[in-house]
Amino acid sequence: QTVVTQEPSLTVSPGGTVTLTCASSTGAVTSGYYPNWFQQKPGQAPRALIYSTSNKHSWTPARFSGSLLGGKAALTLSGVQPEDEAEYYCLLYYGGAGVFGTGTKVTVL
Amino acid sequence: EVQLVESGGGLVKPGGSLRLSCAASGFTFSSYSMNWVRQAPGKGLEWVSSISSSSSYIYYADSVKGRFTISRDNAKNSLYLQMNSLRAEDTAVYYCARDLNIAAAGYDWGQGTLVTVSS
Repeated sequence: QTVVTQEPSLTVSPGGTVTLTCASSTGAVTSGYYPNWFQQKPGQAPRALIYSTSNKHSWTPARFSGSLLGGKAALTLSGVQPEDEAEYYCLLYYGGAGVFGTGTKVTVL
Repeated sequence: EVQLVESGGGLVKPGGSLRLSCAASGFTFSSYSMNWVRQAPGKGLEWVSSISSSSSYIYYADSVKGRFTISRDNAKNSLYLQMNSLRAEDTAVYYCARDLNIAAAGYDWGQGTLVTVSS
């Protein structure tokens, strides 16, 4: 069974920078896994932020960026705002089937 | 405006069945792959199943394979999830979500429907 692992929680100060990672139990994450990133706030449906590793949707704030880092997919938040406090999930694709990461709770403090 | 509206959730006993529906509007439904994603109470997201625009490609998570069936009716702009042999661990909010393309998943989401499996 494939497991996609994220940091359980991260804390960042307003205006700071934080990087979330997404690791696959099968090995290095590549662009072929089409890494996607989602933000979810309490009581809301998820919202797509990043697709295909580093591409932003029209509504994605410029302070969010995606990349591959050390064999993992990564989401970097630069100049963090209080409204960025949320749960973040990555999604990887394995031959058509998707697997969400375990999620990272980002606290802005 | 794109809308995805799930329905069909409710309380069902272990071993029972339920059929979820997702009514789509505001876009050309027949042109997009669709997904079901679930979230157990207080837990993370779990990808459940996806179906391509013409139903040619269908995928399932191992946790539901053989018990759940995804389908769509492009004439009715609707997505379905037939859930059989339900277990307590299937208890979750079930979301339908539209993919923009092969690389851009979950472009639009519904608000979800709650399925509770309990005796």
